[in-house]
Amino acid sequence: GQSLEQPSEVTAVEGAIVQINCTYQTSGFYGLSWYQQHDGGAPTFLSYNALDGLEETGRFSSFLSRSDSYGYLLLQELQMKDSASYFCAGHSGGYNKLIFGAGTRLAVHP
Amino acid sequence: DGGITQSPKYLFRKEGQNVTLSCEQNLNHDAMYWYRQDPGQGLRLIYYSQIVNDFQKGDIAEGYSVSREKKESFPLTVTSAQKNPTAFYLCASSTDRGSYEQYFGPGTRLTVT
Repeated sequence: GQSLEQPSEVTAVEGAIVQINCTYQTSGFYGLSWYQQHDGGAPTFLSYNALDGLEETGRFSSFLSRSDSYGYLLLQELQMKDSASYFCAGHSGGYNKLIFGAGTRLAVHP
Repeated sequence: DGGITQSPKYLFRKEGQNVTLSCEQNLNHDAMYWYRQDPGQGLRLIYYSQIVNDFQKGDIAEGYSVSREKKESFPLTVTSAQKNPTAFYLCASSTDRGSYEQYFGPGTRLTVT
């Protein structure tokens, strides 16, 4: 089957670091993407990992281990505006066919 | 400004009526997608199109139909056969089949009563 599992909620304080994990079972898997979505808004792309290892983009980093079918999104120096839902998405059946996880709701507190 | 537009933002319909959601992009992207999002859940793929006049079913295509007559436009019709049509519908596009980033429109929230 094709599924991605991630925690439903995570809470952290401003300035802290938080890691959102994603484990997956997908066939024909090409890579793992991460998207951010604020309440009522459109998802926006954050990162993509095709190979094992860490990809860093500013305060956000993403990691993939294909042998462990596992990835994570690392958010550093948390800000209030980072409060949103974060989705991991597996690329299956072609680069542009995405299977989304259910999302992790991140709440950042002062 | 380049982007994806979806209209309307909110749509209300009576049960048994077909309704068409609009999606237009001026990014010159070849591929376009329709997703459905239910409260507290991830996005599920309804249909996608990689080129004009061609489209494929996604994971939950039953009760939906699409057309792709122009590169810029990918309208979605929610038919009366869709058992639970109330949801947030998101349209997206990407450059080509090798692109990993999808760009999303603002969404249409459909309520059917």
